[in-house]
Amino acid sequence: EVQLVESGGGLFKPGGSLRLSCAASGFNFSAYTMNWVRQTPGKGLQWVSFITSSGNYIDSAGSVRGRFTISRDNAKNSLYLQMNNLRAEDTAVYYCAKGGGSNSWLIDYWGQGTPVTVSS
Amino acid sequence: EIVLTQSPGTLSLSPGERATLSCRASQSVTSSYLAWYQQKAGQAPRLLIYEVSRRATGIPDRFSGSGSGTDFTLTISRLEPEDFAVYYCHHYGSSPRTFGQGTKVEIK
Repeated sequence: EVQLVESGGGLFKPGGSLRLSCAASGFNFSAYTMNWVRQTPGKGLQWVSFITSSGNYIDSAGSVRGRFTISRDNAKNSLYLQMNNLRAEDTAVYYCAKGGGSNSWLIDYWGQGTPVTVSS
Repeated sequence: EIVLTQSPGTLSLSPGERATLSCRASQSVTSSYLAWYQQKAGQAPRLLIYEVSRRATGIPDRFSGSGSGTDFTLTISRLEPEDFAVYYCHHYGSSPRTFGQGTKVEIK
């Protein structure tokens, strides 16, 4: 059974930093692309970042490019999102999401999410 | 950026009825890379349909997807009590990937 467990969320100040983690199990982590997607009541679902199975290609939404960095450690079956220069509009539930294959952009499984609040 | 517009915003139906949800893209979706997700309150989204019409593993055949180019439809042939939820369309064929704003299917 695919399991994705996010951690690292909480309350943070504007301009601050945090790192989200996602522990994956139940599948061959190193063989699949991974994503971060966020959700807010106002803006709905927003794709944030994507990384290939090997980590050699990364893509991010324009609103986070230059501030957020996705990475992975295949030896630890873990996905990360380094979030810098936080803004109030980054407040959301952040989901770790599994891709459909080694280079697939499809998302087929989601974690339960971790909430991030950016406020002074 | 491809903007996905879903309609209606809310669909009020009774169990056993047919639900038809629409998703319109601002430009043609690359290689039919269009998916549908179901989300229940307090839960993560669940993949229902990918590549416009392929059902994901374990999804009952009352769920079907159709369409091409810029117009797509998710049909639930006979609503079961567990189908009342919010449904999102999603394109994943080009960057940035985007989601529709969702259609809520509620009990009438």
